[in-house]
Amino acid sequence: ETGVTQTPRHLVMGMTNKKSLKCEQHLGHNAMYWYKQSAKKPLELMFVYSLEERVENNSVPSRFSPECPNSSHLFLHLHTLQPEDSALYLCASSQGHLAGGSTDTQYFGPGTRLTVL
Amino acid sequence: AQSVTQLDSQVPVFEEAPVELRCNYSSSVSVYLFWYVQYPNQGLQLLLKYLSGSTLVKGINGFEAEFNKSQTSFHLRKPSVHISDTAEYFCAVSGVGNQFYFGTGTSLTVIP
Repeated sequence: ETGVTQTPRHLVMGMTNKKSLKCEQHLGHNAMYWYKQSAKKPLELMFVYSLEERVENNSVPSRFSPECPNSSHLFLHLHTLQPEDSALYLCASSQGHLAGGSTDTQYFGPGTRLTVL
Repeated sequence: AQSVTQLDSQVPVFEEAPVELRCNYSSSVSVYLFWYVQYPNQGLQLLLKYLSGSTLVKGINGFEAEFNKSQTSFHLRKPSVHISDTAEYFCAVSGVGNQFYFGTGTSLTVIP
Protein backbone atom coordinates (compact mmCIF):
# COMPACT_ATOMS: atom_id res chain seq x y z
CA GLU A 1 0.00 0.00 0.00
CA THR A 2 1.08 3.56 -0.58
CA GLY A 3 0.35 6.89 1.02
CA VAL A 4 -1.58 7.29 4.24
CA THR A 5 -4.20 4.76 5.27
CA GLN A 6 -6.78 5.00 8.02
CA THR A 7 -8.96 2.36 9.65
CA PRO A 8 -11.79 2.05 10.18
CA ARG A 9 -13.34 4.28 7.54
CA HIS A 10 -16.60 4.50 9.48
CA LEU A 11 -17.25 4.09 13.19
CA VAL A 12 -20.41 4.37 15.25
CA MET A 13 -20.01 4.31 19.00
CA GLY A 14 -21.96 5.01 22.15
CA MET A 15 -20.84 7.56 24.68
CA THR A 16 -19.60 4.88 27.05
CA ASN A 17 -17.59 2.92 24.50
CA LYS A 18 -13.85 2.83 24.04
CA LYS A 19 -12.49 2.64 20.53
CA SER A 20 -9.32 3.46 18.64
CA LEU A 21 -8.59 4.99 15.26
CA LYS A 22 -5.53 3.82 13.40
CA CYS A 23 -3.36 5.63 10.89
CA GLU A 24 -0.43 4.25 8.95
CA GLN A 25 1.87 6.07 6.57
CA HIS A 26 4.02 4.33 3.99
CA LEU A 27 5.96 7.42 2.92
CA GLY A 28 8.93 7.32 5.27
CA HIS A 29 7.82 10.56 6.91
CA ASN A 30 8.84 11.77 10.35
CA ALA A 31 5.84 13.83 11.40
CA MET A 32 2.23 12.77 11.83
CA TYR A 33 -0.94 14.73 12.63
CA TRP A 34 -4.51 14.27 13.77
CA TYR A 35 -7.17 16.69 12.52
CA LYS A 36 -10.88 16.98 13.23
CA GLN A 37 -13.10 18.03 10.34
CA SER A 38 -16.60 19.16 11.26
CA ALA A 39 -19.19 20.50 8.85
CA LYS A 40 -18.88 24.24 8.14
CA LYS A 41 -15.89 24.61 10.46
CA PRO A 42 -12.18 24.86 9.70
CA LEU A 43 -10.04 21.81 10.07
CA GLU A 44 -8.87 21.66 13.64
CA LEU A 45 -5.35 20.49 14.30
CA MET A 46 -5.50 18.21 17.33
CA PHE A 47 -2.08 16.64 17.76
CA VAL A 48 1.32 16.69 16.09
CA TYR A 49 4.01 14.05 16.50
CA SER A 50 7.55 14.44 15.30
CA LEU A 51 9.87 11.46 15.51
CA GLU A 52 7.35 9.77 17.78
CA GLU A 53 7.28 12.62 20.28
CA ARG A 54 4.21 14.74 20.77
CA VAL A 55 5.10 18.33 19.90
CA GLU A 56 1.68 19.90 19.82
CA ASN A 57 -1.54 19.37 21.71
CA ASN A 58 -4.11 22.00 20.92
CA SER A 59 -6.23 21.97 24.05
CA VAL A 60 -7.91 18.76 23.05
CA PRO A 61 -10.16 17.16 25.70
CA SER A 62 -8.63 14.26 27.55
CA ARG A 63 -11.23 11.88 26.16
CA PHE A 64 -9.00 11.90 23.06
CA SER A 65 -5.68 10.18 23.69
CA PRO A 66 -3.06 9.87 20.93
CA GLU A 67 -0.36 7.28 20.68
CA CYS A 68 2.57 7.09 18.29
CA PRO A 69 4.48 3.82 18.79
CA ASN A 70 6.75 4.43 15.80
CA SER A 71 7.12 6.89 12.95
CA SER A 72 4.78 4.92 10.69
CA HIS A 73 1.82 4.46 13.02
CA LEU A 74 -0.47 6.83 14.85
CA PHE A 75 -3.47 5.98 16.98
CA LEU A 76 -6.26 8.04 18.47
CA HIS A 77 -7.86 6.37 21.47
CA LEU A 78 -11.40 7.43 22.21
CA HIS A 79 -13.38 7.07 25.43
CA THR A 80 -16.54 8.58 26.87
CA LEU A 81 -17.08 10.75 23.82
CA GLN A 82 -19.88 13.24 23.36
CA PRO A 83 -22.25 13.59 20.40
CA GLU A 84 -20.49 16.82 19.41
CA ASP A 85 -17.36 14.77 18.81
CA SER A 86 -19.01 13.29 15.73
CA ALA A 87 -16.86 14.36 12.78
CA LEU A 88 -14.39 13.21 10.16
CA TYR A 89 -11.02 12.51 11.73
CA LEU A 90 -8.13 12.95 9.36
CA CYS A 91 -4.60 11.73 9.76
CA ALA A 92 -1.74 13.31 7.88
CA SER A 93 2.01 12.92 7.63
CA SER A 94 4.87 15.08 6.40
CA GLN A 95 8.56 14.77 5.83
CA GLY A 96 9.62 17.23 8.53
CA HIS A 97 11.58 16.05 11.48
CA LEU A 98 11.80 19.44 13.11
CA ALA A 99 8.66 19.66 15.14
CA GLY A 100 6.32 19.46 12.23
CA GLY A 101 8.08 21.70 9.74
CA SER A 102 5.67 24.38 8.67
CA THR A 103 6.82 24.40 5.03
CA ASP A 104 6.10 20.73 4.60
CA THR A 105 3.44 19.33 2.37
CA GLN A 106 1.07 17.21 4.39
CA TYR A 107 -0.27 14.00 2.94
CA PHE A 108 -3.71 13.10 4.21
CA GLY A 109 -5.47 9.83 4.69
CA PRO A 110 -9.12 9.36 3.65
CA GLY A 111 -10.35 9.86 7.20
CA THR A 112 -12.55 8.01 9.67
CA ARG A 113 -16.17 9.12 9.81
CA LEU A 114 -17.07 8.96 13.50
CA THR A 115 -20.62 9.08 14.80
CA VAL A 116 -21.22 9.24 18.55
CA LEU A 117 -24.71 8.28 19.64
CA ALA B 1 -2.24 34.75 15.80
CA GLN B 2 -2.93 33.50 12.32
CA SER B 3 -6.23 32.83 10.61
CA VAL B 4 -7.65 32.10 7.21
CA THR B 5 -10.89 33.34 5.67
CA GLN B 6 -12.49 31.79 2.64
CA LEU B 7 -15.16 34.22 1.65
CA ASP B 8 -17.25 31.92 -0.50
CA SER B 9 -18.68 28.75 0.93
CA GLN B 10 -20.13 27.61 -2.40
CA VAL B 11 -19.11 28.49 -5.94
CA PRO B 12 -21.12 27.13 -8.88
CA VAL B 13 -19.54 27.58 -12.29
CA PHE B 14 -20.25 26.27 -15.76
CA GLU B 15 -17.87 23.83 -17.39
CA GLU B 16 -15.02 25.49 -19.30
CA ALA B 17 -15.62 28.80 -17.55
CA PRO B 18 -12.90 30.43 -15.43
CA VAL B 19 -13.06 30.31 -11.65
CA GLU B 20 -11.50 32.16 -8.75
CA LEU B 21 -11.68 30.91 -5.17
CA ARG B 22 -10.83 33.58 -2.67
CA CYS B 23 -8.62 33.27 0.39
CA ASN B 24 -7.49 35.95 2.79
CA TYR B 25 -5.22 35.44 5.74
CA SER B 26 -4.13 37.38 8.75
CA SER B 27 -0.73 37.05 10.31
CA SER B 28 1.82 39.23 12.00
CA VAL B 29 4.70 37.07 10.80
CA SER B 30 5.87 35.59 7.54
CA VAL B 31 3.65 32.81 6.41
CA TYR B 32 3.55 29.89 4.08
CA LEU B 33 0.35 29.40 2.12
CA PHE B 34 -1.27 26.28 0.76
CA TRP B 35 -4.30 25.21 -1.24
CA TYR B 36 -5.65 21.71 -0.76
CA VAL B 37 -8.47 19.91 -2.56
CA GLN B 38 -10.74 17.27 -1.09
CA TYR B 39 -12.72 15.01 -3.38
CA PRO B 40 -15.72 13.16 -1.97
CA ASN B 41 -14.81 10.45 0.53
CA GLN B 42 -11.13 11.23 0.27
CA GLY B 43 -8.52 13.05 2.30
CA LEU B 44 -7.00 16.38 1.37
CA GLN B 45 -4.52 16.61 -1.48
CA LEU B 46 -2.07 19.45 -2.02
CA LEU B 47 -2.79 21.61 -5.08
CA LEU B 48 -0.01 24.15 -4.63
CA LYS B 49 1.94 26.08 -2.05
CA TYR B 50 3.72 29.38 -1.68
CA LEU B 51 6.88 29.43 0.40
CA SER B 52 8.90 32.28 -1.12
CA GLY B 53 10.01 33.70 -4.45
CA SER B 54 7.64 34.29 -7.32
CA THR B 55 4.22 35.37 -6.15
CA LEU B 56 2.49 33.38 -8.89
CA VAL B 57 2.44 29.72 -8.03
CA LYS B 58 1.38 26.98 -10.41
CA GLY B 59 -0.02 23.73 -9.14
CA ILE B 60 -1.52 20.52 -10.35
CA ASN B 61 -4.59 20.14 -12.57
CA GLY B 62 -4.09 23.57 -14.17
CA PHE B 63 -4.63 25.58 -11.00
CA GLU B 64 -2.57 28.59 -10.02
CA ALA B 65 -2.59 31.06 -7.15
CA GLU B 66 -1.15 34.50 -6.58
CA PHE B 67 0.28 35.65 -3.29
CA ASN B 68 -0.53 39.29 -2.62
CA LYS B 69 1.16 40.48 0.54
CA SER B 70 -0.38 43.96 0.56
CA GLN B 71 -3.88 42.52 0.33
CA THR B 72 -3.04 39.48 2.45
CA SER B 73 -4.64 37.27 -0.16
CA PHE B 74 -3.87 34.00 -1.88
CA HIS B 75 -6.64 33.47 -4.41
CA LEU B 76 -6.85 30.27 -6.43
CA ARG B 77 -7.65 30.42 -10.14
CA LYS B 78 -8.23 28.16 -13.09
CA PRO B 79 -8.93 29.51 -16.59
CA SER B 80 -11.20 26.66 -17.64
CA VAL B 81 -12.79 24.19 -15.24
CA HIS B 82 -13.81 20.61 -15.83
CA ILE B 83 -16.49 18.47 -14.27
CA SER B 84 -13.75 16.61 -12.43
CA ASP B 85 -12.82 19.80 -10.56
CA THR B 86 -15.97 19.53 -8.50
CA ALA B 87 -14.66 19.23 -4.94
CA GLU B 88 -14.04 21.07 -1.68
CA TYR B 89 -11.09 23.47 -1.69
CA PHE B 90 -9.23 24.54 1.42
CA CYS B 91 -6.81 27.37 1.92
CA ALA B 92 -4.27 26.99 4.72
CA VAL B 93 -1.53 29.01 6.34
CA SER B 94 1.38 28.02 8.51
CA GLY B 95 4.05 30.03 10.16
CA VAL B 96 5.54 30.01 13.58
CA GLY B 97 5.79 26.68 15.28
CA ASN B 98 3.84 23.63 14.32
CA GLN B 99 0.50 25.19 13.63
CA PHE B 100 -1.48 24.92 10.46
CA TYR B 101 -4.65 26.97 10.08
CA PHE B 102 -7.26 25.98 7.53
CA GLY B 103 -10.18 27.93 6.18
CA THR B 104 -13.74 26.63 6.27
CA GLY B 105 -13.52 25.48 2.68
CA THR B 106 -15.16 26.42 -0.61
CA SER B 107 -17.36 23.91 -2.36
CA LEU B 108 -16.80 24.19 -6.10
CA THR B 109 -19.54 22.72 -8.28
CA VAL B 110 -18.94 22.56 -12.00
CA ILE B 111 -22.17 22.56 -13.99
CA PRO B 112 -22.24 20.73 -17.33
